Amino acid sequence: EPEVTQTPSHQVTQMGQEVILRCVPISNHLYFYWYRQILGQKVEFLVSFYNNEISEKSEIFDDQFSVERPDGSNFTLKIRSTKLEDSAMYFCASSERGSSYNSPLHFGNGTRLTVT
Amino acid sequence: SQQGEEDPQALSIQEGENATMNCSYKTSINNLQWYRQNSGRGLVHLILIRSNEREKHSGRLRVTLDTSKKSSSLLITASRAADTASYFCATVLIQGAQKLVFGQGTRLTINP
Repeated sequence: EPEVTQTPSHQVTQMGQEVILRCVPISNHLYFYWYRQILGQKVEFLVSFYNNEISEKSEIFDDQFSVERPDGSNFTLKIRSTKLEDSAMYFCASSERGSSYNSPLHFGNGTRLTVT
Repeated sequence: SQQGEEDPQALSIQEGENATMNCSYKTSINNLQWYRQNSGRGLVHLILIRSNEREKHSGRLRVTLDTSKKSSSLLITASRAADTASYFCATVLIQGAQKLVFGQGTRLTINP
């Protein structure tokens, strides 16, 4: 069964550094997402991406964050200057159609980002 | 309370028993979804119920939705040790919205 893959599984970085989290969504999916889960807290929506542009973003997704689909397969999340509070598990997801069109999300196993 | 709250926060039962988890939400929804998360892993979609549906089944899973009470329940019948995981409900609020709003989750432990 096709799956969403994320790399790396664990990333440690120093405060102020830039990080890029990588994802390969399922190939025939059209919608792509990033969510994050701070340890012990809820899974939170960051951003959705469709047709090569952001379709929706949360208040968490400020100017320090950006997403890109540089080629036909990868979907990346960049954090420009990491803060301690960015430490979390970051999940990439994809779906055939949008969430509101009753299309379930397929999640990757996540990248654990630790900012020191 | 917030959109998407699960109850109970933790549930521990014996293998073979049924497990029921509840989810309440505040605002009108387009659909409600249940996901499962094994420790340290990604979320796995279990079942989606639309706002005009009242009940849905998938294998040992049964989901109900009561839009008048703004609540949903997930029933796992004949539980197995492998069902041990966290279970989350997530809502899609309106047509056209892309984000899922997740609840805090129920940590389910099945004792062999």
